[in-house]
Amino acid sequence: KNQVEQSPQSLIILEGKNCTLQCNYTVSPFSNLRWYKQDTGRGPVSLTIMTFSENTKSNGRYTATLDADTKQSSLHITASQLSDSASYICVVTSGGSYIPTFGRGTSLIVHP
Amino acid sequence: KAGVTQTPRYLIKTRGQQVTLSCSPISGHRSVSWYQQTPGQGLQFLFEYFSETQRNKGNFPGRFSGRQFSNSRSEMNVSTLELGDSALYLCASRSGTGGSNTEAFFGQGTRLTVV
Repeated sequence: KNQVEQSPQSLIILEGKNCTLQCNYTVSPFSNLRWYKQDTGRGPVSLTIMTFSENTKSNGRYTATLDADTKQSSLHITASQLSDSASYICVVTSGGSYIPTFGRGTSLIVHP
Repeated sequence: KAGVTQTPRYLIKTRGQQVTLSCSPISGHRSVSWYQQTPGQGLQFLFEYFSETQRNKGNFPGRFSGRQFSNSRSEMNVSTLELGDSALYLCASRSGTGGSNTEAFFGQGTRLTVV
């Protein structure tokens, strides 16, 4: 069964600090992995997408990495801001069915 | 350019009733997909439509159905509502042929409460 596990479930950091969120998956075959940011009461917004051959992708202060061999991804947030407070969701799409499997998300709270 | 619009934003229904949710994609987008989000299960894929045809379907019972019109607007219907159907229902649209490598733009969702 295709699964996506994210850790930690929740995280509290101080403004200006860095943090790293983890995503492990068992989806096979693999098509792509995407990180989304979801603010409370809003729909998810895509941060990065990586295919099998990519191992790093940046979007401003967000940097995602992918290790396709170990089936792990991470999202690193640099110099956090209050507006980074949100849920971060890892999504892996199967190469066979093209159906996405979502992680439960990491709830990030940035305190001033 | 207007984003993805979902109506209504909030809905309260009674067990056993049916409900229809609407999604208007970004102008020019022909791919529309639907998702259910609950605290317990997180986000789950329901189905995807492209040019009025269902292209993919998640693992949900037949009570969940959808359709897409010639103007790409989509509706989702849930019949014989159960308490467990209470969730945020999100739709997303994609440009071009709507492949999974194409960014999905989400609406704000419809919050359905079944009592």
